[in-house]
Amino acid sequence: GNSVTQMEGPVTLSEEAFLTINCTYTATGYPSLFWYVQYPGEGLQLLLKATKADDKGSNKGFEATYRKETTSFHLEKGSVQVSDSAVYFCALSDNDYKLSFGAGTTVTVRA
Amino acid sequence: SAVISQKPSRDICQRGTSLTIQCQVDSQVTMMFWYRQQPGQSLTLIATANQGSEATYESGFVIDKFPISRPNLTFSTLTVSNMSPEDSSIYLCSVVPSGGSRTDTQYFGPGTRLTVL
Repeated sequence: GNSVTQMEGPVTLSEEAFLTINCTYTATGYPSLFWYVQYPGEGLQLLLKATKADDKGSNKGFEATYRKETTSFHLEKGSVQVSDSAVYFCALSDNDYKLSFGAGTTVTVRA
Repeated sequence: SAVISQKPSRDICQRGTSLTIQCQVDSQVTMMFWYRQQPGQSLTLIATANQGSEATYESGFVIDKFPISRPNLTFSTLTVSNMSPEDSSIYLCSVVPSGGSRTDTQYFGPGTRLTVL
């Protein structure tokens, strides 16, 4: 079956630091890959996605590249801000639309 | 995109009772799903809500415990039956807009935070 393994948290950073959250997946087919974000007190929203190998998703300064050879979709941001404090979820979707989520990584950015 | 509302936003219930959660979308959608997010945990898919027919449940979830209705393309309900404290979670509905494919964004409702005493 499909599964997503995500870097354990919590992660605490200072403002302007570099952020990486590792995500690897197992899938039987050719999944689409997503990063969702949950800001404090808010609902889950899509941060970025990639639908095929070597695609790069980007949004709000975050990037992730779909690496089929390493079955990975690591999230990166070069300079984080306090407003990036949130829980980040890696997820995949296969042919049936269903999303399989990673465990989530809590990121706290200090001023 | 799709705008999703859920009612109630939160509730505190006694064990043994049932709660029905509503999910309303502002446009017709192809797919609707119900997820559970237990405290400090990730999201787990409960079932796919099928319009006009019985929901499709994931392993570990059964209709008697989580009956689901979807009478049309914009509305669904999830009932949590005979509740116990282990059912304390956030319950979220999500949708794929009509005409969407598996690569399209899945939109989530704001969630219903349920606490069972």
